[in-house]
Amino acid sequence: DIVMTQSPDSLAVSLGETATINCKSSQTILYRSNNENYLAWYQQKPGQPPKLLFYWASAREPGVPDRFSGSGSGTDFTLTISSLQAEDVAVYYCQQYYSIPLSFGQGTKLEIK
Amino acid sequence: QVQLVQSGAEVKKPGSSIRVSCRSSGGTFSSYTINWVKQAPGQGLEWVGGIIPKFGTTVYTKKFQGRAKISTDESTSTAYMELSSLRSEDTAVYYCARGRIEYQLLGWLDPWGQGTQVTVSS
Repeated sequence: DIVMTQSPDSLAVSLGETATINCKSSQTILYRSNNENYLAWYQQKPGQPPKLLFYWASAREPGVPDRFSGSGSGTDFTLTISSLQAEDVAVYYCQQYYSIPLSFGQGTKLEIK
Repeated sequence: QVQLVQSGAEVKKPGSSIRVSCRSSGGTFSSYTINWVKQAPGQGLEWVGGIIPKFGTTVYTKKFQGRAKISTDESTSTAYMELSSLRSEDTAVYYCARGRIEYQLLGWLDPWGQGTQVTVSS
């Protein structure tokens, strides 16, 4: 089974600054035949279901602000939120879909400093 | 636009069973995986399993194998998750979520249902 590990578990960032969340997989999730990384990112606000932000590691879901960006390849991935706004306060999760069972990182709680 | 609507909150006794439903509207039901994800209080997301409605193909994570059963009713575009031998650790919000790659169990999940609170208590 692929284990997804996020860092940090929580972080506090000032409004207007940049937040960086890391996600590491226990084995590569880059599928060589199509050169795609099988990784998604979600945002979850209290009392709501998760909302998809990115798939294929860096493909932004329509409607997601371009302040959000996804990057990385192989086993190491990053979600970057620039110009942080109050509405970005949430828990962020990465998820691999390279193999069954699907698995999520433990989540990173983002707060305003 | 696909929407998933889940059944309401339930309280169950230890040892009993529960069936949670997830009705899909606004898109093709049969060819996209329906997944179930558990979120225990204050905890992260845990994949339970999934099904491709058209083929009836199901997969489960080892932890839930034998106790969870996922099924669909294509006539009503509804998916179900049954969980048996309930224990306190099963207390959680359970989400259904559609896979986005047609005919594939592997994929990212969107959209998600609103969640169903399941409480196991004597």
